[in-house]
Amino acid sequence: GAVVSQHPSRVICKSGTSVKIECRSLDFQATTMFWYRQFPKQSLMLMATSNEGSKATYEQGVEKDKFLINHASLTLSTLTVTSAHPEDSSFYICSASTSDIVGYTFGSGTRLTVV
Amino acid sequence: AQSVTQLGSHVSVSEGALVLLRCNYSSSVPPYLFWYVQYPNQGLQLLLKYTSAATLVKGINGFEAEFKKSETSFHLTKPSAHMSDAAEYFCAVTANQAGTALIFGKGTTLSVSS
Repeated sequence: GAVVSQHPSRVICKSGTSVKIECRSLDFQATTMFWYRQFPKQSLMLMATSNEGSKATYEQGVEKDKFLINHASLTLSTLTVTSAHPEDSSFYICSASTSDIVGYTFGSGTRLTVV
Repeated sequence: AQSVTQLGSHVSVSEGALVLLRCNYSSSVPPYLFWYVQYPNQGLQLLLKYTSAATLVKGINGFEAEFKKSETSFHLTKPSAHMSDAAEYFCAVTANQAGTALIFGKGTTLSVSS
């Protein structure tokens, strides 16, 4: 079945530094990638939607200059948290979708802790 | 716009008892509906999905859900709970269109006691 590999699974970084999270679709072409954020014991909140080769569309309230999303190929999308602060600590999950059917393959998530 | 409401943030059942997790949706277009399970510090696992075919959908691990348009509901059930079912459950909705994001409910924590 379809697999999305998300790395790293856990990362601890210092306040003010940047962190990059990668999501790769291993056996299919991900024309669309969705990025979600999940706070402890809360739901998944959609941050942005990115289509391969296009600029990402951010949800209201999500700072596009802080959460940089790149979807340069059909198998790779990255989320970079720039100048991270403790309030950015969260669980980030990507979800890949194709152009022909309604279906979603989720990565295993990245636990970001900013100290 | 689409949304889901999960009634009950926490449900507790005894092992062997019926599991019922409630989900109501709102959608301006025919919806596709999903149930996911999440174990601590892990990603999401798809339990089942409704994509406008049969209204009664059977999923993995003995779970099933019934799409009721008149009630705008998609409740998740399992006849007999197992200890391993204890987890967080999310209902999600999307439009019948590829490339549309899933919108999640707030989640329901299922506890199973022996």
